[in-house]
Amino acid sequence: NAGVTQTPKFQVLKTGQSMTLQCAQDMNHEYMSWYRQDPGMGLRLIHYSVGAGITDQGEVPNGYNVSRSTTEDFPLRLLSAAPSQTSVYFCASSRIGTDSSYNSPLHFGNGTRLTVT
Amino acid sequence: DAKTTQPPSMDCAEGRAANLPCNHSTISGNEYVYWYRQIHSQGPQYIIHGLKNNETNEMASLIITEDRKSSTLILPHATLRDTAVYYCIVRVPDNNDMRFGAGTRLTVKP
Repeated sequence: NAGVTQTPKFQVLKTGQSMTLQCAQDMNHEYMSWYRQDPGMGLRLIHYSVGAGITDQGEVPNGYNVSRSTTEDFPLRLLSAAPSQTSVYFCASSRIGTDSSYNSPLHFGNGTRLTVT
Repeated sequence: DAKTTQPPSMDCAEGRAANLPCNHSTISGNEYVYWYRQIHSQGPQYIIHGLKNNETNEMASLIITEDRKSSTLILPHATLRDTAVYYCIVRVPDNNDMRFGAGTRLTVKP
């Protein structure tokens, strides 16, 4: 059981380049999300999805696109990278509670460290 | 808008209990309190969560005040490997997203 797998671990881009950060989970979780973490700061939510075909914006969605064609995968796309997008990106997943308890913890990947020059 | 307030840093002696406070004075009746930690630059790790009763698992204990406006995470016998940033989060109702603040940087010293 691999949990949440993120690739690549490291990436360097030039301004204006595009790339896709991959995230896959093997726990059959309905919910998946992307966070970014800047140095010395907490995590900020970029986008999230509650199931295949459904995505929504978080706190800092500008400059990022997502899609959810399968339960397992939730890629994050940078269409035109900017230096302000230099950060560590974390993907997370969880079950969605079937009652009002909301008691399913998030499982995180180990991150992708992105540098945009 | 921050839903939780934590001290930016704390120290603890190895082998002693680490008590990490969190204020969440605007918490709603159906919102849970979650604790995560992040060791070095790894992905955050789930520790424990609770609604209104005190909770304990193999990692920690969670004490929630009767009015639910604050809570304390207790690591009963802190080790050097517990050095990390600890995040207290109030779960947003109706969806699964969690909003992380800056957390508390706990340093366990020999």
